[in-house]
Amino acid sequence: EAGVAQSPRYKIIEKRQSVAFWCNPISGHATLYWYQQILGQGPKLLIQFQNNGVVDDSQLPKDRFSAERLKGVDSTLKIQPAKLEDSAVYLCASSGLVDLNTEAFFGQGTRLTVV
Amino acid sequence: AQKITQTQPGMFVQEKEAVTLDCTYDTSDPSYGLFWYKQPSSGEMIFLIYQGSYDQQNATEGRYSLNFQKARKSANLVISASQLGDSAMYFCAMREGSSGSARQLTFGSGTQLTVLP
Repeated sequence: EAGVAQSPRYKIIEKRQSVAFWCNPISGHATLYWYQQILGQGPKLLIQFQNNGVVDDSQLPKDRFSAERLKGVDSTLKIQPAKLEDSAVYLCASSGLVDLNTEAFFGQGTRLTVV
Repeated sequence: AQKITQTQPGMFVQEKEAVTLDCTYDTSDPSYGLFWYKQPSSGEMIFLIYQGSYDQQNATEGRYSLNFQKARKSANLVISASQLGDSAMYFCAMREGSSGSARQLTFGSGTQLTVLP
């Protein structure tokens, strides 16, 4: 079974530029998550989709971050314009329909450096 | 308030010995699930073990066991017979049951485990 695929693995941009990350979840997984992991911290949920609808985006900085999940499969996370504090690893995860014991499967992440 | 607290930023253990990684949590929801994930230097989060709030017995998965003390709101991970490949960052996470379809998975700040040869 193929895992969660993310690209690119690494990205370096200048502040105020825009950037986009792509995620392909495990086939058949209804739920897709984007997490931000700042160095030395645990992952923080940015947005959670169920199929192609948003179920939680309470911690997404909506003035600069946007995400979409077209057709309930792949997802794209965009930052525009980027700030220095956006430097982090962006992790995508997927799971089946969420229950208490539903484990999330993670991709390897995209490491973003904003200079 | 922090929902998940991991108070050990770093831990060292000798190969073949057991080690306990601490996790305390805060919730008023009677229904919740607790997870442990491992994150090696490659970056991918790997699921290790799960404990439900209503589970009567402590969860075990191979060399991993979860010391669940509900009254103390703690869910410590015990790794027996440590191996060099266990060196990684370990995260405790919680999902609360009453938030409907969202049921966000919230992570602690992690513990960096180093296994010494």
